Amino acid sequence: QQQVKQSPQSLIVQKGGISIINCAYENTAFDYFPWYQQFPGKGPALLIAIRPDVSEKKEGRFTISFNKSAKQFSLHIMDSQPGDSATYFCAAPPPQGGSEKLVFGKGTKLTVNP
Amino acid sequence: NAGVTQTPKFQVLKTGQSMTLQCAQDMNHNSMYWYRQDPGMGLRLIYYSASEGTTDKGEVPNGYNVSRLNKREFSLRLESAAPSQTSVYFCASTPYFRTGDIQYFGAGTRLSVL
Repeated sequence: QQQVKQSPQSLIVQKGGISIINCAYENTAFDYFPWYQQFPGKGPALLIAIRPDVSEKKEGRFTISFNKSAKQFSLHIMDSQPGDSATYFCAAPPPQGGSEKLVFGKGTKLTVNP
Repeated sequence: NAGVTQTPKFQVLKTGQSMTLQCAQDMNHNSMYWYRQDPGMGLRLIYYSASEGTTDKGEVPNGYNVSRLNKREFSLRLESAAPSQTSVYFCASTPYFRTGDIQYFGAGTRLSVL
């Protein structure tokens, strides 16, 4: 059974600051690590994902960094804005790979103060 | 384009009552999923349907049953609700049952069992 450990549980950042959320996984046969963003009262939605053979993926102010040897990946939000306030979930594929049975982390509640 | 639609949005049950949560997607996706979200626990997979005509247990299936009615619809049934089933339930779908597909979530059903 895949375990995904996400930290911190909550994070408060000032507007313009950098938000960093970390995740660690145990094993996976396929290097695909998505991050989902969830606003209050809404369902999660894919924010950004990193795929095999890439150690970093950047989309605007959001960057995923992946360290395969350490089995860790992280989300960096540059120039954090109040509109980024949400809960963020990392996820990893199951150890055996080949399926969409993602295992999610427990989530990080991000608050960006104006 | 509605995406993934869940009904009802809110529900209050008494212990022992039964109910069915409905989910429908209009994206012609093959795979569908039911998750529950509890504070500090992240998203946990209850059941999934890799394709029309198949269903399988996820991480926390006890106390639930599912039906893949057709390609569009995937329902979750609580036969005898318990307070431990108080949660927010999310339905999701993916084009196929393969690692790397984006999961599209509904807005959720907030269930309280008294």
